[in-house]
Amino acid sequence: EAGVAQSPRYKIIEKRQSVAFWCNPISGHATLYWYQQILGQGPKLLIQFQNNGVVDDSQLPKDRFSAERLKGVDSTLKIQPAKLEDSAVYLCASSLDLGVAFHYTFGSGTRLTVV
Amino acid sequence: GQQLNQSPQSMFIQEGEDVSMNCTSSSIFNTWLWYKQEPGEGPVLLIALYKAGELTSNGRLTAQFGITRKDSFLNISASIPSDVGIYFCAGLHNNDMRFGAGTRLTVKP
Repeated sequence: EAGVAQSPRYKIIEKRQSVAFWCNPISGHATLYWYQQILGQGPKLLIQFQNNGVVDDSQLPKDRFSAERLKGVDSTLKIQPAKLEDSAVYLCASSLDLGVAFHYTFGSGTRLTVV
Repeated sequence: GQQLNQSPQSMFIQEGEDVSMNCTSSSIFNTWLWYKQEPGEGPVLLIALYKAGELTSNGRLTAQFGITRKDSFLNISASIPSDVGIYFCAGLHNNDMRFGAGTRLTVKP
């Protein structure tokens, strides 16, 4: 079974620039999550999708972050404009369904550096 | 929101030693999970616990779901160099999963 695919693996941008990350979940997984992992911390949920609908985006800084999962499969996360404190690893995860912890699988992440 | 307190923050041990780490919360969780993360990779699930009091093993790893549903521990027996990494606890309540800050494990050969 193919895992959760993310791209790019690394990205370096200047502050105030825009950046987008892409995620392709495991086939058949209805739920998709974006997490932000700052160095030395655990992952923090940004947004959660069930198929193409948003389940929880309460921790997404909506003034600069946006995410979509238009066809209920792959997803993009965008930051516009980026700030220095956005430097982090952005992890995508997918799960068979809401609350199915055993099937919760992470991608390798995109490491963002804002300079 | 629900906060997880994970300890210790880091551990330096000799190969062959046993390791214990734990996670506590002020809120209850329906599921506790333990993940391992290696450099440049996402967290990988080690053990999932679904019932209060449950004790589950996966090879040299053993984890327990606390009776109060507010805590969990992970033990690693007879550590080996490839156990090196960051171990995260995570608690799941309804559809909300929260992570601890991690325990960084270093194993000296």
